[in-house]
Amino acid sequence: DAGVTQSPTHLIKTRGQQVTLRCSPISGHKSVSWYQQVLGQGPQFIFQYYEKEERGRGNFPDRFSARQFPNYSSELNVNALLLGDSALYLCASSLRDTYTDTQYFGPGTRLTVL
Amino acid sequence: AQSVAQPEDQVNVAEGNPLTVKCTYSVSGNPYLFWYVQYPNRGLQFLLKYITGDNLVKGSYGFEAEFNKSQTSFHLKKPSALVSDSALYFCAVSGYSTLTFGKGTMLLVSP
Repeated sequence: DAGVTQSPTHLIKTRGQQVTLRCSPISGHKSVSWYQQVLGQGPQFIFQYYEKEERGRGNFPDRFSARQFPNYSSELNVNALLLGDSALYLCASSLRDTYTDTQYFGPGTRLTVL
Repeated sequence: AQSVAQPEDQVNVAEGNPLTVKCTYSVSGNPYLFWYVQYPNRGLQFLLKYITGDNLVKGSYGFEAEFNKSQTSFHLKKPSALVSDSALYFCAVSGYSTLTFGKGTMLLVSP
């Protein structure tokens, strides 16, 4: 079975632009989470969606938004990009949204903001 | 608030020797703990998790972890390290709708 897929792999944007990152979960998984990983740090939680509803939001500004589609795929949008948004953006999927479900991660999208 | 701490930025071990990567946690309530590994320019790969039951958890690629409630620790172990185990290892604790990660420990296994 295919794992979590993300697109694009790499992205270069300039300050002030907007970006959309995409994620397809493992087949049968209904929960998708987004994380930001800055170089040298552990991933930081941005959003979780389950059954198309937002279930959690991390400490990120309103420039960050996301949604989940009926097929459980998801998009992360970031507006008004800042240099500090440069990071690896990871998507993870799980069967449900419980504490004990394992999250499986995609390869990530490397965003560079110039 | 929940948190995990990985006190070592880097662990060095010779191939064939046992390895330990340390993790301590802080949660209110039951701890649900995970270990992930990240290879360069890759996403995170799940190794193992502790939910309840036996304090020794076995996972992928020969890794295991020991849960110790009194010491609030969840150390990752492997009896015999391989050069291919060299990577960045993350401990994480599960809370409602999120995983909280440590800063990571780089494991370097020398031939």
